[in-house]
Amino acid sequence: QVQLVESGGGLVKPGGSLRLSCAASGFTFSDYYMSWIRQAPGKGLEWVAHITNSGSKIYYADSLKGRFIISRDNAKNSLYLQMNSLRAEDTAVYYCARYLITSFGIVRDASDIWGQGTMVTVSS
Amino acid sequence: SYVLTQPPSVSVAPGQTARITCGGNHIGRKSVHWYQQKPGQAPVLVVYDDSDRPPGIPERFSASNSGSTATLTISGVEAGDEADFYCQVWDSSSDHWVFGGGTKLTVL
Repeated sequence: QVQLVESGGGLVKPGGSLRLSCAASGFTFSDYYMSWIRQAPGKGLEWVAHITNSGSKIYYADSLKGRFIISRDNAKNSLYLQMNSLRAEDTAVYYCARYLITSFGIVRDASDIWGQGTMVTVSS
Repeated sequence: SYVLTQPPSVSVAPGQTARITCGGNHIGRKSVHWYQQKPGQAPVLVVYDDSDRPPGIPERFSASNSGSTATLTISGVEAGDEADFYCQVWDSSSDHWVFGGGTKLTVL
């Protein structure tokens, strides 16, 4: 079935780095734009970044630009988020999510499939 | 940057109709998407492009968007509908996704 599974979360010290992965299955990964979205404990959803299906275009939330890098490997059906210079305020559940493609084949800027999330805790 | 404003909470009795609003500057000119998130779970898309439902979403979930307010309407509310709801748009001026702050729906 259509599935996204994140991994790579954990406890990291301030200033450290972490690389998240998202394994896709059950659909043609290379057809889909993908996003990372995070949610701090007890808080709302915050968009982090997204990448087009070919990887040719990438967009980041302004507050994260320069510290986080989104990438993908279509041959491995995988999405990645390299997180550097981590801060306490980066503590959150990180979700990968697939852009919606309608039944008419139109890409929409919404996510119809989400992973279960991976927890990142930044603390000394 | 573009801002979406939602009420922190909405309460409704079972069987009644819940309306959750999402305010934004000229939001009627944008496509609004709605997500439901139950505790400990990932969000689920319940409405996209203002009023379309993905497969598997009950007809009880409907939405509209006009002027400065988008509204998600849940008819015949059930206990299982209790969740946080988020609106979301694409802000073309910044090439960013924007989420509302979320609304906690409580079924009395």
